[in-house]
This record gives sequence, C-alpha cells and structure tokens, in this order.
Amino acid sequence: EPEVTQTPSHQVTQMGQEVILRCVPISNHLYFYWYRQILGQKVEFLVSFYNNEISEKSEIFDDQFSVERPDGSNFTLKIRSTKLEDSAMYFCATPRPGQGGIWNNEQFFGPGTRLTVL
Amino acid sequence: SQQGEEDPQALSIQEGENATMNCSYKTSINNLQWYRQNSGRGLVHLILIRSNEREKHSGRLRVTLDTSKKSSSLLITASRAADTASYFCATVPRNYGGSQGNLIFGKGTKLSVKP
Repeated sequence: EPEVTQTPSHQVTQMGQEVILRCVPISNHLYFYWYRQILGQKVEFLVSFYNNEISEKSEIFDDQFSVERPDGSNFTLKIRSTKLEDSAMYFCATPRPGQGGIWNNEQFFGPGTRLTVL
Repeated sequence: SQQGEEDPQALSIQEGENATMNCSYKTSINNLQWYRQNSGRGLVHLILIRSNEREKHSGRLRVTLDTSKKSSSLLITASRAADTASYFCATVPRNYGGSQGNLIFGKGTKLSVKP
C-alpha cells in the first residue's frame, strides 16, 4: 500500500512558538489534506491543498495556520504562534488515484504528528 | 457543517461475536467511508460505499447505506482480539458548492474485543 510519511512523530513546544509539521505524500500526487484530532475527540478537517494552492479550508484553519510546498515532494503545515488548544495529532492524507476522482476514493493517512504545546 | 454520529460510543464483545456500529449524517453525500484507528496511531481505510450503493462486503466487513435515513452500519463478523480499535465513519459531501473531497468524520465507536 502506498505510504504517506510525516515528521516529526512527536513535537513538544512552548506556547507562542512556531512549529512546522512535514508530510511526504504519495508520489506525484497533487492533492493532499491536513486533519487534526484532539485527544479523545473526532478527526477534524483543516485544509485541502491542490497544485500549490489552498483549495478549501475549515473554520479551524485561521490566520495562525499556513500550508506550503517548499519543494517538489514535501508539504508543510505551519502554526505561527502555538496555543495550548493546538495540542493534538495532526494527520496529512492523500486520495488514492482512481477513476472516481477525489470525491470517490479513499484517503491514505500518514501516521500523524503528536503536537504538545506547554 | 455536517457531522457524523456513531453509536454506540463504546462496544465490548467476546471474540467470535459480531460487532455492529452505526453512523448517521446530515447532508447529501458522494460516499461514506469507514476507517479504523488503533490507539494513538494513524487512520486506516476499511471500506467505501458510494451514495448509489446499498450494501458492500469486504472480507469480514459488511457495510450498509440508507440514504433516505442518512445512516450507515458497519458489521464485523467473527470478531478477533486484533479488531480492538476505534472505528470512524467519514462522509464526502456532495461536490456542488466546491467541496474538494475532504472527509467529515464522526466521533467514533471504541470497540473492545475480549479473547
């Protein structure tokens, strides 16, 4: 099965600091998503990114968040000034290529980055 | 925004028994998917059912979809201790309005299968 990798696996930071979470999605994919999961709660959509641009974002994805594709393969999620409530698991995901398009194919999730804000 | 709700929130059964989890949602969908998450780990896709399908099977998994009731069920037959995990339903909203295929997750059912 194709693999999505994320680094770091665990990040501990002080409130107010900037963090950058990295994702390497399935090769040659143009679409990817970021989700977060606060401990014990459901997975929430943050943002979708297509061809180097944000295509959709949720209410959670405010000005503190940004996504980039700094090179041909890596994608990053940056939180500029972390808050205690940003502590969560952050997942990136890409859809399986197929005839159904992005609306009718499952997504492959990375193992996640656990962010702890102190 | 759409929210999926699974029930039960937690389910404890003995190995060999069947486990049934339900999911309800609120808006029109392209498809509904079920994912599994082991404690503290990533999500693994289990099965996808399109809005024009009513039932789907994959190994020991059986999924049903009732779009008139906006509900779905996941049945795991002959459960094993290794099935212990959290199970989430996720919907892809119908793609008018600019939805880009992002998943809307429910709160999950925590399944415990005792040996």
